[in-house]
Amino acid sequence: AAGVIQSPRHLIKEKRETATLKCYPIPRHDTVYWYQQGPGQDPQFLISFYEKMQSDKGSIPDRFSAQQFSDYHSELNMSSLELGDSALYFCASSIGENYGYTFGSGTRLTVV
Amino acid sequence: AQKITQTQPGMFVQEKEAVTLDCTYDTSDPSYGLFWYKQPSSGEMIFLIYQGSYDQQNATEGRYSLNFQKARKSANLVISASQLGDSAMYFCAMREGYGGATNKLIFGTGTLLAVQP
Repeated sequence: AAGVIQSPRHLIKEKRETATLKCYPIPRHDTVYWYQQGPGQDPQFLISFYEKMQSDKGSIPDRFSAQQFSDYHSELNMSSLELGDSALYFCASSIGENYGYTFGSGTRLTVV
Repeated sequence: AQKITQTQPGMFVQEKEAVTLDCTYDTSDPSYGLFWYKQPSSGEMIFLIYQGSYDQQNATEGRYSLNFQKARKSANLVISASQLGDSAMYFCAMREGYGGATNKLIFGTGTLLAVQP
């Protein structure tokens, strides 16, 4: 069965650079969620999209932006990267009446 | 206020024994869902089990069962016959609201389980 695909799996960036993380949800899933998990921390909700519209917003810095495209894939854009942005970034997808959330394998971002 | 509380930062269990991981939650919404995820050292987030607030019976999935005590607002995960591959971080999570595609998951701080041979 198709899963949630995230790319890249690993990313190393320098401070003040920009990064773009991509997420391809399970086909026919209409909602995408982004989470940030710092070292030794629980996942923190960043933002979600339902049918390509932003549906909820969590503790996402102003330096970050995200969108969902017509093919339902989503991108998280991160600018002016800081050392504290180093984390595992998860994307998850779900479908309207389904209680399940399927997570991707995550993108591990390291800012040096 | 913390919505999901996992009071056990770490636990040990002997192989083939059962183990219970605690989770309490706080919500005023009558409709909610409770989830458990496993996160091995490789980092992926693996869904284990789900319990809806209106479900009459405790959820079970193979060796995993959820001890749902609604009045106490607890949703403990029970792993029977532990295996070495069960060693991982376990997160309890909650979704508030009913059937909403836009309802995010809120996670607890996790419990690190180590299964000993």
